[in-house]
Amino acid sequence: EVHLAESGGGLVQPGGSVRLSCAVSGFNFRIYWMHWVRQAPGKGPVWVSRINGDGSSTSYADSVRGRFTISRDNAKNMMYLQMDSLSAEDTATYYCTRGLMLDYFDYWGRGSLVAVSS
Amino acid sequence: EVVLTQSPATLSLSPGERATLSCRASQTIRTYIAWYQQRPGQAPRLLIYDASDRVSGVPARFSGSGSGTDFTLTISSLEPEDFGVYYCQQRGVWPFTFGGGTKVEIK
Repeated sequence: EVHLAESGGGLVQPGGSVRLSCAVSGFNFRIYWMHWVRQAPGKGPVWVSRINGDGSSTSYADSVRGRFTISRDNAKNMMYLQMDSLSAEDTATYYCTRGLMLDYFDYWGRGSLVAVSS
Repeated sequence: EVVLTQSPATLSLSPGERATLSCRASQTIRTYIAWYQQRPGQAPRLLIYDASDRVSGVPARFSGSGSGTDFTLTISSLEPEDFGVYYCQQRGVWPFTFGGGTKVEIK
């Protein structure tokens, strides 16, 4: 059974940093593109970033490029999102998702809430 | 970026009724559209991809259609578990974007 589980969220001050982790199981992790998608309270989902199977190719939404870094460790079946220079606009639940046909999202974790506030 | 406009914002229907949800793209995305269902407190769930391909395990009452800029998700006969918010998402033009959602509520 496919399973994705995020961790590492919480309350962080403006300008601060947080690192999200995503532990996956139940599929051949190393052959899939993986994504982070976020959803602010009461709003629709927003794509944040993606990484290919071996970690050699990454993409970011304009709103996070230069501040967020996506990475993965295929030996540990883990994906990460390093988030720096956070602002209130980054407050959201962050979901780890698996890419279907690259850029649809067929499996989702339960999400990790990141709240940016002083 | 491609803007996806979903309508109506809210659809009030009774179990057994037919639901028709619309998603319009600001430029052509061929058939690179997906539909997701989100129940309160849960992550979105992929239902349909490439406009009309149903994900394994999704009931046959869900169907998708359209191409270019106009797309439709149809639920032929609503079941109680179908109420929630539905989002469309496109992968035809980078960056990938989602619509604002249609809430399907019990009348």
